[in-house]
Amino acid sequence: EADIYQTPRYLVIGTGKKITLECSQTMGHDKMYWYQQDPGMELHLIHYSYGVNSTEKGDLSSESTVSRIRTEHFPLTLESARPSHTSQYLCASSEGSSGWEVTDTQYFGPGTRLTVL
Amino acid sequence: KNQVEQSPQSLIILEGKNCTLQCNYTVSPFSNLRWYKQDTGRGPVSLTIMTFSENTKSNGRYTATLDADTKQSSLHITASQLSDSASYICVVSDRGSTLGRLYFGRGTQLTVWP
Repeated sequence: EADIYQTPRYLVIGTGKKITLECSQTMGHDKMYWYQQDPGMELHLIHYSYGVNSTEKGDLSSESTVSRIRTEHFPLTLESARPSHTSQYLCASSEGSSGWEVTDTQYFGPGTRLTVL
Repeated sequence: KNQVEQSPQSLIILEGKNCTLQCNYTVSPFSNLRWYKQDTGRGPVSLTIMTFSENTKSNGRYTATLDADTKQSSLHITASQLSDSASYICVVSDRGSTLGRLYFGRGTQLTVWP
């Protein structure tokens, strides 16, 4: 069982609200990721980080923002939630030093299912 | 266009039976291929990782095969159990560098009935 945690697990919120999805890991991994996944669809990378003070946008454009002030913490923020943001958000971390080496196995958190009304 | 296609989309089998899930990819250049298991409402968990030179990799009742020439992989589950009910996701990496990325399939939803 990977030591990576996400809160809340479920969130139902009204349009226009600001939300922050929390992700933390206790494995000391430098690399962390945020994915978005709709039912029956593939995971899409929306943000990633190589370490403290490093954040990059992923393949799927997202209105969310992330920060990496501490190694273990990688929160995702939506300033103004909309129904189109309804989805499952998965956080992951890995210990690889670069790219997608064989050793760069990603450990996923349980996910946050977000519903915006 | 780099893609990962999985089949079947869904599968129902009886407990104790075997099954095989397929993954075809067009990702190039190829670095490695991973199979993940994702339980409903949970994050994916890695089952196997294979590089170009590996033809097969086992993890308990799970056996993955890779044919890098035809760009096909399969995941064989032996003596299925109710706990095998999950989505199985094939993920392909295009290179082992900072410029590389992961390509995710949509998964095969496996249901094991008693």
